[in-house]
Amino acid sequence: QVQVVESGGGVVQPGGSLRLSCAASGFIFSSYGMHWVRQAPGKGLEWVAFIRYDGNYKYCEDSVKGRFTISRDNSKNTLYLQMNSLRGEDTAVYYCAKGTSSGLSPFDIWGQGTMVTVSS
Amino acid sequence: QTVVTQEPSFSVSPGGTVTLTCGLTSGSVSTSHYPSWYRQTPGQAPRTLIYTTNTRSSGVPDRFSGSILGNKAALTITGAQADDESDYYCVLYMGSGIWVFGGGTKLTVL
Repeated sequence: QVQVVESGGGVVQPGGSLRLSCAASGFIFSSYGMHWVRQAPGKGLEWVAFIRYDGNYKYCEDSVKGRFTISRDNSKNTLYLQMNSLRGEDTAVYYCAKGTSSGLSPFDIWGQGTMVTVSS
Repeated sequence: QTVVTQEPSFSVSPGGTVTLTCGLTSGSVSTSHYPSWYRQTPGQAPRTLIYTTNTRSSGVPDRFSGSILGNKAALTITGAQADDESDYYCVLYMGSGIWVFGGGTKLTVL
C-alpha cells in the first residue's frame, strides 16, 4: 500500500525551529519527486516546496525561501522539512505528497498531515 | 503576479453534471501547466482526483474527468452524488519549479 506519514509537528514560539519528517512506504521512494503542501486553519491549500528524486533540485515558495529547507534521505525513505525563523503565518497543517514522477510533477498520494502551531 | 482562479462556490443537483474551472488572471491555462485536481472534506487530507490535465488517480471513478476548455482547465463531474459535496482545488505549474493552488471551489449537492 502506497503511503506517506508525516510527523514532527507541534507548538513552537515565533522565531523557533522545527523539523518535519515524512516516512514513505509501498513505493520506490528514490524514484519520485516529493512535495510539501500546507493549509492554514480555515484556508486553502498552499504549495510549499519540492525536491527531485535524487535531491539535486529543490524549489520553494517565496514566503519560505531562506527559512525552510526541503531534503530527503533515500536510504531511509524519508522526506524532511527543516523550518527555521518560524512566524505566526506558518501555522498550518503540513502535508507531505508524493509526486507522480521523478522530476517536476504534480502530486498524487497525500499523507494525513501534521499540525504546526507558531505561538508564544 | 498571476493568480490561479476558481469559482468560490457551485451547486449541482443529485445525478447532475457540473464543470468546475481553473484559470489564470493573466494568460491561458495549457497542458504545460500540468493542471491537477484535488478534493477535500473538512478535517480530512486532500485526495487526488486528476493530475496532468486528464489522468485519473488510482481508484477515482470515471465520473470525474479533466480537460482544457477554452483558456481554462476543467474538472467535470457526472452523476453527482451527495458525497461529492467537498472543496475542490486545482493546482498549476507556473514554471521555475513553482506550483500554485487556486482558492478552491465549495461544491454543494442539492
